[in-house]
Amino acid sequence: DIQMTQSPPSLSASLGETVSIECRASEDIYSNLAWYQQKSGKSPQLLIYYASSLQDGVPSRFSGSGSGTQYSLKISGMQPEDEGVYYCLQGSKYPWTFGGGTKLELK
Amino acid sequence: QVKLLQSGAALVKPGDSVKMSCKASGYTFTDYIIHWVKQSHGKSLEWIGYINPYSGGTNYNEKFKSKATLTVDKSSSTAYMEFSRLTSEDSAIYYCARSEYGRRCFDYWGQGVMVTVSS
Repeated sequence: DIQMTQSPPSLSASLGETVSIECRASEDIYSNLAWYQQKSGKSPQLLIYYASSLQDGVPSRFSGSGSGTQYSLKISGMQPEDEGVYYCLQGSKYPWTFGGGTKLELK
Repeated sequence: QVKLLQSGAALVKPGDSVKMSCKASGYTFTDYIIHWVKQSHGKSLEWIGYINPYSGGTNYNEKFKSKATLTVDKSSSTAYMEFSRLTSEDSAIYYCARSEYGRRCFDYWGQGVMVTVSS
């Protein structure tokens, strides 16, 4: 199975600060990488797919980049509503696997 | 709008089975694959498997192959997952989620079903 190593496990950011979260795959996943935000008690919501495509309705302060085995999610200007847990998902090979999550809090 | 409405929470005894449902609306049911995902308390997410509502074809994570059975009822646009021989390790939230053919991610998720295994 492809292992997804996500970092950091937790993060605290001030209002307006730019935040980055990383995901590293154990093998090349050919940009088949998605990012999700999960707020407390809710289902995950899709933010980014194919590494850098913004899902409809997602604010443009969210962006994704990367290729091969290294990917990142950037939030350009932290907002209070961005608090939550962020997960990456590789959809390159079954079984699809998730990163361990990054808990993002407002400082 | 797209909705995946899951059945309610379940409290089951060790060794029992549980069957949960995921009713789709707002799109053509057979145009998208339905996946199931497990989230143990406070932990990350695990992909259980998927079913193709058009063909009935399935693909399971080896870890859940002897545990989960996925089915669909096209007439009611509903997907089902039965989880058998439950233990305390199966206590978790179970989500259904859909993916577009060829698009390698989930774009919509159900609200989740909390399953508690306890005697």
